[in-house]
Amino acid sequence: EAGVAQSPRYKIIEKRQSVAFWCNPISGHATLYWYQQILGQGPKLLIQFQNNGVVDDSQLPKDRFSAERLKGVDSTLKIQPAKLEDSAVYLCASSVATTGELFFGEGSRLTVL
Amino acid sequence: KNEVEQSPQNLTAQEGEFITINCSYSVGISALHWLQQHPGGGIVSLFMLSSGKKKHGRLIATINIQEKHSSLHITASHPRDSAVYICAPTGNQFYFGTGTSLTVIP
Repeated sequence: EAGVAQSPRYKIIEKRQSVAFWCNPISGHATLYWYQQILGQGPKLLIQFQNNGVVDDSQLPKDRFSAERLKGVDSTLKIQPAKLEDSAVYLCASSVATTGELFFGEGSRLTVL
Repeated sequence: KNEVEQSPQNLTAQEGEFITINCSYSVGISALHWLQQHPGGGIVSLFMLSSGKKKHGRLIATINIQEKHSSLHITASHPRDSAVYICAPTGNQFYFGTGTSLTVIP
């Protein structure tokens, strides 16, 4: 069974530029999460989708971050414009249901200069 | 306010030692994940448990729902066990501890 796919693995941009990350969850997983993990900290939820609907985006900085999951399958997370403090690993995870086992992608490491 | 507290934050052990990582949480949950993250790597789910104990190879996870406490044990530790271990209780959302960084020295 294929795991959660993410791309790109690494991205370096300058502040005020934009960046987009892509995630393809495990087939059949209705719940998809985007997390931000800053070095030395645990993952912080940015947004949770149930199929193509948003369940929780309370911690998403909506002035610069946006995410979509149009067909209830893959998802994109965009940052525009990026700030230095956005440097982090962006993790995508999926599960069959909210209470199901969680599967993570390898993450996309963003460095903002 | 941290919903999840892990201890210790950092742990160094000699190869072969028995290791225990503790997790206490303050939220109501339906299950708890133990996750493993290698340097530069993604996160892997080791266990999802809602009661009692689970064992997988040299890893054992226990949970006491009434006391809101879980432990992860590693028997006969090995350098390849070096990683960050994260406790993640889950109810209607996932809560994450900041992780325990484990280094096993040969």
